[in-house]
Amino acid sequence: AQSVTQLDSHVSVSEGTPVLLRCNYSSSYSPSLFWYVQHPNKGLQLLLKYTSAATLVKGINGFEAEFKKSETSFHLTKPSAHMSDAAEYFCVVSKSGTGFQKLVFGTGTRLLVSP
Amino acid sequence: GAVVSQHPSWVICKSGTSVKIECRSLDFQATTMFWYRQFPKQSLMLMATSNEGSKATYEQGVEKDKFLINHASLTLSTLTVTSAHPEDSSFYICAGGDFAYNEQFFGPGTRLTVL
Repeated sequence: AQSVTQLDSHVSVSEGTPVLLRCNYSSSYSPSLFWYVQHPNKGLQLLLKYTSAATLVKGINGFEAEFKKSETSFHLTKPSAHMSDAAEYFCVVSKSGTGFQKLVFGTGTRLLVSP
Repeated sequence: GAVVSQHPSWVICKSGTSVKIECRSLDFQATTMFWYRQFPKQSLMLMATSNEGSKATYEQGVEKDKFLINHASLTLSTLTVTSAHPEDSSFYICAGGDFAYNEQFFGPGTRLTVL
């Protein structure tokens, strides 16, 4: 069965400093991995996805993530945080090669950005 | 990206009553709808998957007689919580999927409070 573990429930950064949100996955198949962001009162938005192509995936709003099979990790990074990045972030795994199939969500990491 | 709406955004009801939540894909045809449940400060859990014109497939542990899902058209799915009880209070999120997009598009969610 697929699962993801988000290692931090909260991450606090100052505006302009780098962001690192950690995610480890477990999968008996070659996984598809995603990062979603949830802003209050808005639907979840897909930031980026890995589907067995390039291991370094670039997403929207300056975010990127690197798939490391040897470490079973898919950490999300951004060079410089912006106040608007404050939100809940979910690491997600899918058994199939698409985001259209059953998704398994991590427990989420709340990113706090201070001025 | 494609847009999914939910109505209502917030509903309060008395114990024992039924509540219907609508999920609409506004600018695409969702051949598959996914219904998730999110408890406070927790992750999203998939409740059921429905294909247009077919019966929904429920995840293990989800009572299909309590959570009635209808997906009568390519743009509308409904979730009815029957005989709601306080433990059904939660945040319900739908997502629409289509093979062409290879992605699920999430609605903003409906907060249900059962008194």
